[in-house]
Amino acid sequence: DTEVTQTPKHLVMGMTNKKSLKCEQHMGHRAMYWYKQKAKKPPELMFVYSYEKLSINESVPSRFSPECPNSSLLNLHLHALQPEDSALYLCASSPIQRGSTYNEQFFGPGTRLTVL
Amino acid sequence: GENVEQHPSTLSVQEGDSAVIKCTYSDSASNYFPWYKQELGKRPQLIIDIRSNVGEKKDQRIAVTLNKTAKHFSLHITETQPEDSAVYFCAASIGGYSSYKLIFGSGTRLLVRP
Repeated sequence: DTEVTQTPKHLVMGMTNKKSLKCEQHMGHRAMYWYKQKAKKPPELMFVYSYEKLSINESVPSRFSPECPNSSLLNLHLHALQPEDSALYLCASSPIQRGSTYNEQFFGPGTRLTVL
Repeated sequence: GENVEQHPSTLSVQEGDSAVIKCTYSDSASNYFPWYKQELGKRPQLIIDIRSNVGEKKDQRIAVTLNKTAKHFSLHITETQPEDSAVYFCAASIGGYSSYKLIFGSGTRLLVRP
């Protein structure tokens, strides 16, 4: 399996709902990322997990809560979102090779989120 | 702060012509510079990358050049084809190998006219 997968593909939620986005990879990558992408804009980093530990949080509001239960899975829990949070949420992963160099980030297809 | 500027924002070329996209980054500690292609409704896909110990890299019709002194890097696509039409993003790394973030440029919409 050489892809990053994300579910669901589309999600519509109200501002009082709680939902979760799921990301999975079976390439043995130990770094995983969440990005947010608004229309006609570049991806913006939200979180980085390295060896299942949160290593970077780009000052994301607490209504977004990431979780990395194991080395293959990454979740993003959503609660009390605002309409301006509507966007494409992309997950990515990359291998970590000790003493090596930077490695490619592989992106998933994204979850298109609409907050009503 | 950390910033990557990308130009032009749109680029229209005739099929067979070359296309050049330029980026400038702000953090002198950046060492990794990937280029992603994103077609409408699709995920970003890496097309080429370059690391700071290399000045130029080529892969068939695509080449990237890096000038660390000037903090510039560029993407060159030769013999463009209609399927090259997409949005292209440059990016620069911030952080170490095991936990780095990418700062993306604002994107270039490339249109290749048949």
